Amino acid sequence: DTGVSQNPRHKITKRGQNVTFRCDPISEHNRLYWYRQTLGQGPEFLTYFQNEAQLEKSRLLSDRFSAERPKGSFSTLEIQRTEQGDSAMYLCASSLRGGDYGYTFGSGTRLTVV
Amino acid sequence: GDSVTQMEGPVTLSEEAFLTINCTYTATGYPSLFWYVQYPGEGLQLLLKATKADDKGSNKGFEATYRKETTSFHLEKGSVQVSDSAVYFCALSDSGGSEKLVFGKGMKLTVNP
Repeated sequence: DTGVSQNPRHKITKRGQNVTFRCDPISEHNRLYWYRQTLGQGPEFLTYFQNEAQLEKSRLLSDRFSAERPKGSFSTLEIQRTEQGDSAMYLCASSLRGGDYGYTFGSGTRLTVV
Repeated sequence: GDSVTQMEGPVTLSEEAFLTINCTYTATGYPSLFWYVQYPGEGLQLLLKATKADDKGSNKGFEATYRKETTSFHLEKGSVQVSDSAVYFCALSDSGGSEKLVFGKGMKLTVNP
């Protein structure tokens, strides 16, 4: 069990550029989640996959955001035309039994939009 | 929607002091309740959980009891250590059928030797 892995750890990008983050969950976990955390706040839910199906999307996930989990293993989160307000820590988590039992989180990708 | 309110910090304690971090919640159903901890430079880790009223979660000397009558899940530890310095988040599972967790804002704890 190598835990949940996220890459890159840090990303600095210019406003208007596109960025993509990757998450590799624990291998036997079929559920994968993306959250966003800004300074001084708790994580906020963005989206949830069960296997390759995206089953929930938050209203926070504007049309500039897209997430995929093509083979039910790793996932990517893409932000198009980044804005300064997108600067945050993007967290990925995975679970075998669902939200009621808790998740395992990765260390996150810190995005800074300049 | 469901929400979590937790005690704001930051809080600084001396080693071996007693710790309480208050957490109250609002939910329409019967959520599971969690405490997560984030050590410096690391991801969030599940510290403990409780899935129904009157359950007590415990781990690493920390405890919290699911109190339905007061809608609370306060975190306690009898004697903190320097290694407990971290940010603590209270969270609940959404009671409306969603898979998401709803988190409080977090409380930063610093323990001095």
